[in-house]
Amino acid sequence: GAVVSQHPSRVICKSGTSVKIECRSLDFQATTMFWYRQFPKQSLMLMATSNEGSKATYEQGVEKDKFLINHASLTLSTLTVTSAHPEDSSFYICSARDRITMGEQYFGPGTRLTVT
Amino acid sequence: GENVEQHPSTLSVQEGDSAVIKCTYSDSASNYFPWYKQELGKRPQLIIDIRSNVGEKKDQRIAVTLNKTAKHFSLHITETQPEDSAVYFCAADTGTASKLTFGTGTRLQVML
Repeated sequence: GAVVSQHPSRVICKSGTSVKIECRSLDFQATTMFWYRQFPKQSLMLMATSNEGSKATYEQGVEKDKFLINHASLTLSTLTVTSAHPEDSSFYICSARDRITMGEQYFGPGTRLTVT
Repeated sequence: GENVEQHPSTLSVQEGDSAVIKCTYSDSASNYFPWYKQELGKRPQLIIDIRSNVGEKKDQRIAVTLNKTAKHFSLHITETQPEDSAVYFCAADTGTASKLTFGTGTRLQVML
């Protein structure tokens, strides 16, 4: 089946620094990738839709200058958390939809970000 | 935008019993309804999905029903087993927006 990878799986950074998270579709091409944030014991909240070759579409309330998204190819999207603060600590999960089938979304394993 | 409500938030059942989780959605344009199982610290795993042209779908012990008129859909798990214990999320996708709106989740505990 379709596989989506994320890197890193865990990252700890200091307040004020930036962190980049990569999301890759390994065996399919994804025109669209999605970035979610999940706080403990809560649901997945969509942050933005990442479109290959164009600007990301951000959900209401998500700061686009803080959460930079780049979708440079059909298999890679990156999320950069800039000037991270402790309240940005969360589980970040990406997903990708197969460009051909446009069926289910395949989720990456997630990245646990801790900002100290 | 789409709003998905999910009930109950927690559900405890005895092993072998059935479990039912219900969701309602607000956007009549939604046409794809997946259910995900998420274990602690892991990615959501698709367990079953249904599209709006189908009323019911079954896969072994798992079934999903959809009532498009009432805008609600349900997950049914029969003969529950301890390994079914996890958090379950419903979601709705309008297709046009191509994005999923998730319910708030149900923590299912199957007791021995």
